[in-house]
Amino acid sequence: GAGVSQSPRYKVTKRGQDVALRCDPISGHVSLYWYRQALGQGPEFLTYFNYEAQQDKSGLPNDRFSAERPEGSISTLTIQRTEQRDSAMYRCASKTDPGGGWDEQFFGPGTRLTVL
Amino acid sequence: RKEVEQDPGPFNVPEGATVAFNCTYSNSASQSFFWYRQDCRKEPKLLMSVYSSGNEDGRFTAQLNRASQYISLLIRDSKLSDSATYLCVVNLSNTGKLIFGQGTTLQVKP
Repeated sequence: GAGVSQSPRYKVTKRGQDVALRCDPISGHVSLYWYRQALGQGPEFLTYFNYEAQQDKSGLPNDRFSAERPEGSISTLTIQRTEQRDSAMYRCASKTDPGGGWDEQFFGPGTRLTVL
Repeated sequence: RKEVEQDPGPFNVPEGATVAFNCTYSNSASQSFFWYRQDCRKEPKLLMSVYSSGNEDGRFTAQLNRASQYISLLIRDSKLSDSATYLCVVNLSNTGKLIFGQGTTLQVKP
């Protein structure tokens, strides 16, 4: 079946512009996670949803970052007034159930964001 | 101090070698533990979960020492295809909020 998909795969923007990154999880997966990965580092947690409810946004760096999942499926991560330090790979992951700390998370291919 | 610490390497080993990676985690309340594998320019994928009793999957053996807050991965009879970055991962609760280490890079040479 189809895995997690993300779009766009690459986004180049100018400093100060807003960007919206989209994640389409595996069909039926209840939990959706956003991570950010810098070069040479592991992914860093940003936020997550169970169904449409945002459960934890403690990893969002500041109030320029927001995320939504209005219908409990596709999610959008929005960065307002982008800065060069926002440049990174943004990864989305999903898993089947809200509970289950041992459940596998399936990652998407990521969106490479470059802020000029 | 990072929540999950790994030696970034790189580890350069010949085919057939046995190689071990270690990682330490800082939060004693961590509940579940994993090794993920990430190939160059690809997404991370689950390699194996790590249980207190230790577990093995073919050439791969994972161990967890909760008292020392230490996780290990042993790869026997290394293959060229094992070349990748290995990410040590902990989950602080049942929420699935994963905390990743920096990753350890393995390069297996002919």
